[in-house]
Amino acid sequence: GAVVSQHPSWVICKSGTSVKIECRSLDFQATTMFWYRQFPKQSLMLMATSNEGSKATYEQGVEKDKFLINHASLTLSTLTVTSAHPEDSSFYICSARVDQGAAYEQYFGPGTRLTVT
Amino acid sequence: GQNIDQPTEMTATEGAIVQINCTYQTSGFNGLFWYQHHAGEAPTFLSNNVLDGLEEKGRFSSFLSRSKGYSYLLLKELQMKDSASYLCAVLDSNYQLIWGAGTKLIIKP
Repeated sequence: GAVVSQHPSWVICKSGTSVKIECRSLDFQATTMFWYRQFPKQSLMLMATSNEGSKATYEQGVEKDKFLINHASLTLSTLTVTSAHPEDSSFYICSARVDQGAAYEQYFGPGTRLTVT
Repeated sequence: GQNIDQPTEMTATEGAIVQINCTYQTSGFNGLFWYQHHAGEAPTFLSNNVLDGLEEKGRFSSFLSRSKGYSYLLLKELQMKDSASYLCAVLDSNYQLIWGAGTKLIIKP
């Protein structure tokens, strides 16, 4: 089946630094990738939608200058958390979409746990 | 390897009860999650089981047996709006989410 990987799986960084998280579709091409954030026992919060070769669409309340998204190819999207603060500590999950005619399948990555100290 | 299995598709009748099963084989276990996913929207958290047993939350209940690597999501008094994909995911020993492919639930009047 379709596999989505994320790297790193766990990262600890100091406040004020930047962290880059990679999301790759391993055996398929994804025209669209999504980035989510999850707090414990809460729904996945959609942060942004990115299409290959174009600018990401951010959800309301998500700072695009803080969460930089680059979708450089059909198999890779990156999320960079700039000037990280402790409140950015969270579980970040990406997913990749495969269009199948009128419908589509969406596959989720394993998540990246970010801890900002 | 790590594996999550759940049925691809299920059909049920409005007002009825449906049980969606999930079996898993993972390297370690730190909890099992159920999400409801409507296409085009963010998945909605339904439940999180860490210990064995049944967790009830309104029309939705989730059961876990860690020794059997098994969970189910029970939906009662089905409504048309319950038509969605239901995703089972396990948090492994590295705190990585291992996702099932999802079960597409079709509700018929």
